[in-house]
Amino acid sequence: TQLLEQSPQFLSIQEGENLTVYCNSSSVFSSLQWYRQEPGEGPVLLVTVVTGGEVKKLKRLTFQFGDARKDSSLHITAAQTGDTGLYLCAGAPNAGKSTFGDGTTLTVKP
Amino acid sequence: DAEITQSPRHKITETGRQVTLACHQTWNHNNMFWYRQDLGHGLRLIHYSYGVHDTNKGEVSDGYSVSRSNTEDLPLTLESAASSQTSVYFCASSEGQSETQYFGPGTRLLVL
Repeated sequence: TQLLEQSPQFLSIQEGENLTVYCNSSSVFSSLQWYRQEPGEGPVLLVTVVTGGEVKKLKRLTFQFGDARKDSSLHITAAQTGDTGLYLCAGAPNAGKSTFGDGTTLTVKP
Repeated sequence: DAEITQSPRHKITETGRQVTLACHQTWNHNNMFWYRQDLGHGLRLIHYSYGVHDTNKGEVSDGYSVSRSNTEDLPLTLESAASSQTSVYFCASSEGQSETQYFGPGTRLLVL
């Protein structure tokens, strides 16, 4: 059983569209991280959310941490082809080791 | 600039051979991790270390070993390579209590 469930698993959209991907768990996390991984490279950190209800913005990307600190979402406005990649969420439940979700593979078509 | 490197980037080997993948970081981080990434399984933790001479098993440690003789390096050894160990391997490091991990570029391993 995956501790962090990400959905959807795959998403293909046209450039300019908006999208939201989700990271859900039944466990409480002290923080959650979002990473983006491009083909042939390692994951790169986008953001860390720490406080329940927190919203962080990174240009066209908006990250939200659920009030109960069990889930998070990533919203991309006006997607661009450069947003294509694998989006991973990660977190350490109850001061344990970090675990990763299986990721959402996003393809943005021109 | 500080970085984390892996070598080789690509490796082909035969079943039964011993293989060692190198990971070197110049962040001076105490924590280092090895993951494998396979389609449909995301990143799975193999081994991790919280400091020199400290090593711990992750969720998929069978058939793998690590040693930590200094802060900068955490080599991953496949004692007797199996076809099931064909995968992409990522090394990562983090500082202290931080959950933010910095990843290397990966090693693509093919076991024939």
